[in-house]
Parts: sequence; structure tokens; C-alpha cells
Amino acid sequence: DGGITQSPKYLFRKEGQNVTLSCEQNLNHDAMYWYRQDPGQGLRLIYYSQIVNDFQKGDIAEGYSVSREKKESFPLTVTSAQKNPTAFYLCASSAGQGGEKLFFGSGTQLSVL
Amino acid sequence: AQSVTQPDIHITVSEGASLELRCNYSYGATPYLFWYVQSPGQGLQLLLKYFSGDTLVQGIKGFEAEFKRSQSSFNLRKPSVHWSDAAEYFCAVGREYGNKLVFGAGTILRVKS
Repeated sequence: DGGITQSPKYLFRKEGQNVTLSCEQNLNHDAMYWYRQDPGQGLRLIYYSQIVNDFQKGDIAEGYSVSREKKESFPLTVTSAQKNPTAFYLCASSAGQGGEKLFFGSGTQLSVL
Repeated sequence: AQSVTQPDIHITVSEGASLELRCNYSYGATPYLFWYVQSPGQGLQLLLKYFSGDTLVQGIKGFEAEFKRSQSSFNLRKPSVHWSDAAEYFCAVGREYGNKLVFGAGTILRVKS
């Protein structure tokens, strides 16, 4: 079945550590997105990529980095510069732009030790 | 800047009762509007979307939403709620370029038997 796979489901970060969240899709979608979800705040866009080897900052990109070397993969690195990383992270993809339906992964819960 | 307001953080309804979840948006042009549903610890699933045309939109699971330009609203309705509808519901507006959605803070629906 086609879909988006995020791993791990739960992740713990120590102070000063970088961690990488995985996102893989087999939907052949061009566009991929990373959202951060905090209780009571909805989803906020971190980074998005409309095509391989290209990505743009979203609304809250500070302290995060991404890469898009392959169409099916869009990993997110939470760096030590992100001072409040505890959140639920959601990856999504879409076939195109202009209001196309987003397909979401099941998320990664990141917590700080 | 685009914004989405969901005035109700929590709503409790009895099983079999009707439901209306409110959504107001701020956007200069004709918006793309969406309703997504999220079960705990999971990703989001699209219920319905509005791009243009008929202002009453039918979605999955018996949900519908009505776009009212004069009120900048896109309220979600269901005539008879089932216990399985208990979840968190997010309204979102699509921005002019690309597919970057702005999400509301969400409404948690509880269903009592």
C-alpha cells in the first residue's frame, strides 16, 4: 500500500544533541512537508520541498534542517539550536500544489531527556 | 497574513446528536479550505475541501461543510454523531502559492453515550 512512513514513533534527545527524524513516501509525490504540532497550537510549517534538491523554510525553520536528495525521502534534523524541541512532528506529501490533498504520516513524538 | 480561528477548544455532544464545528479564516483572496481529522498519536486525514463552486461541500464519514464568504467561515457539520467521531478536528486554509496550509488550533470532540 502506498503511504508515508515516519520513524521512529518516539525519540528522545539529550541536551546539545542533534537528532534526525525519517520520512519516506512511496506515493510518487513531488512535494513534501514537515509540520510541528504542539498542544493547543495546531500545526506549524517547518520546511517544505516542492522538488528534489530544493527546499524552502516554513514559518518556524530556526533550529531545524532538512535535505531532499531523493524524491521519496525528506529527513528532518532537529539541531541543538532548537531550544524547545519537545513536540509531535508530522511529515506530509502532496502530488502538486495549489490545494492538493496532503497525505500525512503517523508522526514522531520527540522529547528531551 | 492568513490565519484560521477555531473558537471552540473542546466540544462534547451526545451520540446521535448533531454537530457543528466552527472555523473562521482570514485571507485576502478566494481561499482553499480544508477540514482534517486526527486520532490520538496519529497523522491527519482529510475530511473535505473547498476550492470553488458549490459552497456546500460533502466529505467522507457523513461530514459536510458550508463556505460563507460574507462571514469568512467554513463550519463543519454532521447530522448524527457516532462514538467513533471522537477525535481532534482541524480547519486549514491554503495559501496563494504552493500548498502550504495554515492550520487552526483544533477542536477536540468528545462523544458521550
